[in-house]
Formats: sequence, C-alpha cells, structure tokens
Amino acid sequence: EVQLVQSGAEVKKPGESLKISCKASGYSFTSHWIGWVRQMPGKGLEWMAIIYPGDSDASFDARYSPSFQGQVTVSVDKSNDTAYLQWSSLKASDTGMYYCGKTKTEGVAVAGIDYWGQGTLVTVSS
Amino acid sequence: DIQMTQSPSSVAASVGDRVTITCRASRTFNTWVAWYQQTPGKAPKLLIYAASSLHTGVPSRFSGSGSGTQYTLTISGLQPEDFATYYCLQANSFPYTFGQGTKVEIK
Repeated sequence: EVQLVQSGAEVKKPGESLKISCKASGYSFTSHWIGWVRQMPGKGLEWMAIIYPGDSDASFDARYSPSFQGQVTVSVDKSNDTAYLQWSSLKASDTGMYYCGKTKTEGVAVAGIDYWGQGTLVTVSS
Repeated sequence: DIQMTQSPSSVAASVGDRVTITCRASRTFNTWVAWYQQTPGKAPKLLIYAASSLHTGVPSRFSGSGSGTQYTLTISGLQPEDFATYYCLQANSFPYTFGQGTKVEIK
C-alpha cells in the first residue's frame, strides 16, 4: 500500500527556519517524482516544486514554480525514502497547509499526483 | 506558464443531478490534465488523469474529457459524498498549475 506520512503541525515565528518531512512507503521511491503543494487558509491549491530522487547516489533533480523559486528548498534522503521542504526564514504569508504527493508516471510523463500525504499545517505568527 | 481557468467557481445541485465543470487552458496542449476532489480538512484525491482515465477505485459516475484548450469533468448522478471542491491540474509543462476550484454545494 502506497503511503506518504508527513511530519506534524508547526508553529513558528517570522524569521525562523523550518524543515518538514514526507516519509514514503509502498513503492519505489527513486522512480517517481514527488510534488509539494501549498494551500493557504480558505484558498485553492498551488504547485510549489517537484523533485526526482533518481538512482544516482549523490544527485537529484528539483524544479520550482516561479512563485516559490528562492523561497523554499526541496530535498530527499534516499536512504530513508523521505522528502523534505524547508524554509530558511519564514514569513507570516507562509502560513498554510503543505502537502507532499507521489506523482503518477505515464512513460516519462508526469500525470499529476496520485497519492497524497495528510498535510502539514504551518503557522507563522509573532 | 499555462494558466487554467476553471468554471463555475461554485454550483448548487441536488442528489442525482449531472454536474459539469470546465477548465480552459491559456494555450493548447494534449492529455496531461488531472482532476481532484477535496473535502474540508482532507487532502485532495485523484479522480481522473490523462484527461479521461479513471483512477483506481473511483466510481464510474466520474468522467473526464477534452483536448486542446478545454477540459471537462462530469459527475453523472451526484451522490451525497460528492459535495466537495474540485480542481483541475495541468501537468503538461512545468510549472504545473491548478484551476481555481469549483465548490459543489447542496441545492
């Protein structure tokens, strides 16, 4: 059974750093892109970034949507089948629910996210 | 970037009704559109991928169609558990983009 289990809710102050996790199981972690999606309170879904763990020991392929480029960093730990999303300096506007998801692959194409984590609520407030 | 304009933003319907939701893309492409259902407090669920393929375990009352710049999700015979918000997603080219969402409410 495919499962993605995300780390728990966080309450942080502006300027603090944060790293949230997404632990995958039930499929080949290195063979599927992982996507990160933001949902601000009462709003719609926004695609933030995508990362391909791959089979190479050292490297991975990461891409960022323009609105999130330079604002967040995605990474993976292939030894632990875990993906991460991190901020170096949080803002109040980063408050929201963050979802990770395994992408569905059709050949070499990505067809969207087929399995989602439960979400991590991040609250940034002074 | 490809923008996805979703309509309507909300629709009121009754159990048994047929509901159609549309996403219009800012430029033409083929195939890589997905549709999701989200209920309050829950993660989205995949319904349709590749514009018209039904995801595993999704009831057959959900169907997708379209090509070029217009894609449609149809719910034939609305059930009580279908009252939710629906989103389209284009995964044709990065950055992937979602539509703004359609809330299906009880009439």
